[in-house]
Amino acid sequence: SQQGEEDPQALSIQEGENATMNCSYKTSINNLQWYRQNSGRGLVHLILIRSNEREKHSGRLRVTLDTSKKSSSLLITASRAADTASYFCATDAGNTGFQKLVFGTGTRLLVSP
Amino acid sequence: EPEVTQTPSHQVTQMGQEVILRCVPISNHLYFYWYRQILGQKVEFLVSFYNNEISEKSEIFDDQFSVERPDGSNFTLKIRSTKLEDSAMYFCANPPTRNTEAFFGQGTRLTVV
Repeated sequence: SQQGEEDPQALSIQEGENATMNCSYKTSINNLQWYRQNSGRGLVHLILIRSNEREKHSGRLRVTLDTSKKSSSLLITASRAADTASYFCATDAGNTGFQKLVFGTGTRLLVSP
Repeated sequence: EPEVTQTPSHQVTQMGQEVILRCVPISNHLYFYWYRQILGQKVEFLVSFYNNEISEKSEIFDDQFSVERPDGSNFTLKIRSTKLEDSAMYFCANPPTRNTEAFFGQGTRLTVV
């Protein structure tokens, strides 16, 4: 498998429900970032969690990081139709000063009214 | 919030033509990256730039690609002789330091016909 794989690949829920997306990676990381992308548009940064952090919150978003399992999860609570988008995790794994992000394949989230 | 600006937002070009994509970075943000995303696929790293030099490039970044800073501030990504498979969304990213949010631009959609 590749660095940064999300599951599920697609998720369909109703408004008001919670959405959970998971990301697994293979190498040690400095941080892990989650991004949202509306169809054909730019990348919107959601949250960054560093390797020494286990959980972070931002509004309706909750991100966890388990470095022992090399995995992260993104929870969106009380989802809205406007949350419909693709969600990507990206790992910053470089051990030099030049830390490119390695993106996962993404989870397509559909929130129905 | 500071923004990274990319132009043009959409470029259509004929196969074999040269294209130049532009990115205006954020003042005092030290690291710079180009990424691309082929439609429906994940975001891929192309090249990183630090201290006026390329610091790392991927296998995708072959001799057809070049990155420059022609006026000492703004960045360009040049594709010398475009191929159909160069059709993609191209993003620049400009984090201020290590281990921080990447600050992506809105992207340039390149269509090669």
